[in-house]
Amino acid sequence: QSVLTQPPSASGTPGQRVTMSCSGSSSNIGINTVNWYQHLPGTAPKLLIYINNQRPSGVPDRFSGSKSGTSASLAISGLQSEDEAEYYCGAWDDSLNAYVFGTGTKVTVL
Amino acid sequence: QVQLVESGGGVVQPGGSLRLSCAASGFIFSRDGMHWVRQAPGKGLEWVALISYDGSNKYFGDSVKGRFTISRDNSKNTLYMQMNSLRAEDTAIYYCAKGNNSPAYWGQGTLVTVSS
Repeated sequence: QSVLTQPPSASGTPGQRVTMSCSGSSSNIGINTVNWYQHLPGTAPKLLIYINNQRPSGVPDRFSGSKSGTSASLAISGLQSEDEAEYYCGAWDDSLNAYVFGTGTKVTVL
Repeated sequence: QVQLVESGGGVVQPGGSLRLSCAASGFIFSRDGMHWVRQAPGKGLEWVALISYDGSNKYFGDSVKGRFTISRDNSKNTLYMQMNSLRAEDTAIYYCAKGNNSPAYWGQGTLVTVSS
């Protein structure tokens, strides 16, 4: 079972801004950095955000991340149809000595 | 460019064993930690294991501890995962990913089906 909690779904129309949360604890998000991944069915997951708010090269600046305390969030501005995917947060957990993923948020573009 | 190609998946009976491989290219393999991550049908991502760049440190998720082992051959740029005592709930797509602390770049995955 995941130790990072995400809302199961989020949606918006093209051009809108969508946000999703990732709730953790003092042993993971509270003391370690957060990453965000985009996953489309049948493809390799893709790193979207690392170290809380950094974008790898090639990731549009429409994607942004933030962290506060034991929670983090991902925002997608200017939503596009190709953004329809599952999004996961992830962080190292010092108590479990393991990497943990969030439960995942499915983004639908209406 | 970075390439990670998993192989070794297939159908195995409960209680059986399987060894997955991940061939790496396009980066200095011996400098990066490597992960295995899986996704069961209809489920989310589940982290399975991490091995440090030199193989000296290994970490496992609770669901596979004592059954799965992770290893690497830096001379062959290849990551392995030996899976023993397989259960139906181990059925999943298994991805390898590079990254010292967190999975950063992922392969396309290989499907493991545990079924009688």
